Amino acid sequence: DTAVSQTPKYLVTQMGNDKSIKCEQNLGHDTMYWYKQDSKKFLKIMFSYNNKELIINETVPNRFSPKSPDKAHLNLHINSLELGDSAVYFCASSEIPGTSGSETQYFGPGTRLLVL
Amino acid sequence: AQSVAQPEDQVNVAEGNPLTVKCTYSVSGNPYLFWYVQYPNRGLQFLLKYITGDNLVKGSYGFEAEFNKSQTSFHLKKPSALVSDSALYFCAVRDKGSSNTGKLIFGQGTTLQVKP
Repeated sequence: DTAVSQTPKYLVTQMGNDKSIKCEQNLGHDTMYWYKQDSKKFLKIMFSYNNKELIINETVPNRFSPKSPDKAHLNLHINSLELGDSAVYFCASSEIPGTSGSETQYFGPGTRLLVL
Repeated sequence: AQSVAQPEDQVNVAEGNPLTVKCTYSVSGNPYLFWYVQYPNRGLQFLLKYITGDNLVKGSYGFEAEFNKSQTSFHLKKPSALVSDSALYFCAVRDKGSSNTGKLIFGQGTTLQVKP
């Protein structure tokens, strides 16, 4: 059973289009994240949600809009795609971050987005 | 601000030899440190973490990491490398700057190449 799944795995699209990436976790976690990995493999957080509530928004352009219909899903919608949006997008989930810091984030397989 | 650095872009090791992938960190207070591995075209897999306690942390696939507070390091080690260990390795620190968001700050990654 896949713990954190993402669809689609690959996404090739034209500039200006709108696209969505879906993420689902079956780990029973309350917190979900989106990370972006650029062409140099650098990873940076974009968003996180606790129980459908936005917790982190890391100065991401407002063309990116996350939506969490329930705590097991966190989708990423991107409007007016630009060339610079080409990257690998990873979803992750964890227990609610607490003072112990012990919660581990588990990552999905990634969605490889190429904007032409 | 919390940060983590991986000083080597690539590490080359012969199969059967010990391997070390270096990581140094900069945090205020006690750090929460993680190692992840990314195989080609795959998501990140959790290897191990240091929260508190013993400085030597054991993780998946025979990997271990040594927390050294005086040197602010958390190097990943394995006594005997396998060709299948060849992958991209990320060190990460849990951001404690903002309250309990769970945000991970990643190093730039180190490619491990194990040659037969």
